[in-house]
Formats: sequence, structure tokens, C-alpha cells
Amino acid sequence: DTAVSQTPKYLVTQMGNDKSIKCEQNLGHDTMYWYKQDSKKFLKIMFSYNNKELIINETVPNRFSPKSPDKAHLNLHINSLELGDSAVYFCASSQERLGRADTQYFGPGTRLTVL
Amino acid sequence: AQSVTQPDIHITVSEGASLELRCNYSYGATPYLFWYVQSPGQGLQLLLKYFSGDTLVQGIKGFEAEFKRSQSSFNLRKPSVHWSDAAEYFCAVGAFTGTASKLTFGTGTRLQVTL
Repeated sequence: DTAVSQTPKYLVTQMGNDKSIKCEQNLGHDTMYWYKQDSKKFLKIMFSYNNKELIINETVPNRFSPKSPDKAHLNLHINSLELGDSAVYFCASSQERLGRADTQYFGPGTRLTVL
Repeated sequence: AQSVTQPDIHITVSEGASLELRCNYSYGATPYLFWYVQSPGQGLQLLLKYFSGDTLVQGIKGFEAEFKRSQSSFNLRKPSVHWSDAAEYFCAVGAFTGTASKLTFGTGTRLQVTL
């Protein structure tokens, strides 16, 4: 059973296009995240949602719009794709406990290539 | 703001040799510390975590890490490396913001294992 799944695994598109990445978790967690891993493998948080509410937005361009239809899903929509958006995007989930940063479980990643 | 430093970008060890990967963190409160491993083309898998209590924590695949508050370190160790351990290793510090938590990652250490 896949705990955190993402689709698609690979995404190749042209500059200026709009694309979406989907994430689903079956762990019953209430918090989900998007991270971006650049070409140098550096991982940085983009967004966090708790119970469908946006909690963290780390100065990401507004071309990126996360959407959480329910606790188990967090999708990432990207408008007007740019070359610099090429990266691997990871979804993660955790069960938040008051006062403590709990373990985050990561999906397999989506490799986005913008041509 | 929290930060993580992994001083070694790339380490090569022989199979069967011992391993130590360094991690130093900066965080004003009690740190929640994690080690993740990323195999080529894969997502991140949790190796171990430290929240409180015993400063020597055991993880999966024979890994352990020791939290040293005085040195702000959380080094990862393994007594005998296997060829399958070749991967990218990330240290992370978790910070709880009051409404959500986020992981701040180091830049990673690539482990190469020679036979």
C-alpha cells in the first residue's frame, strides 16, 4: 500500500503552459506539504496545509497555487511555467501534534521539466 | 530561523567500513531532528528521528545517530556499510510554528560505496 502517492511521476512541458501535480495520502494525516528539490538536490518547503487550510506559504510565486479538496489530497497547480520551475516536487504528510514537529512521510516525487 | 549544515558534500567509503555523516543544526528551542535517505530517482525515506530522551537513537537499516546539544550536532553512523547504502542523505530540523511544522533540510551528503 502506497502511503503518499503523486501523479504524474514525470512531467515534460513547454514554457508558458499550465500544469497540475496531484498528491494523495492514505495515512489519515491532517497535514500535507509541498517541497521543491532543485538541481543541486536542495529541498525547500513551499506550502503546508492543515485540515484543508493553508498554514505555510514560503514566499512562493503566486503562479503556484495549492488546492486541498480534502484532508487526504493536496494538489499543486502551476501557471505560466518558467524554465526555473524545472525541479522535483515532493508531497509529504504528517499528523501534527501540539507543540511538536512530527515525522513527515514523503511521496516518490514528480520530476518537472520545462522546455 | 533554523538551519542545518552538512559539511560533507560527497563521501566515499569501502563496503564493510564504518560510516559517519556529519550534521550541525541551528535552532533556538528544543530541536526535532531527522535523517532521511534518498536513493537515485526515489523519494525520501525516514531513517531515524530524535524528539527527546535518549540521545542515541536507532533507526532502520542499522543506522544510528547521536544528538549532542553542546555541539549542536546530530551525526549519523553505521558500523559496516553495504553497497546498497549508496544514496543521498539529508539531515533536517523540524520547527513547530504554533500552527504547523516545517522541516529545514541540509544540502545533503552523497554517499558512494566502493566494493
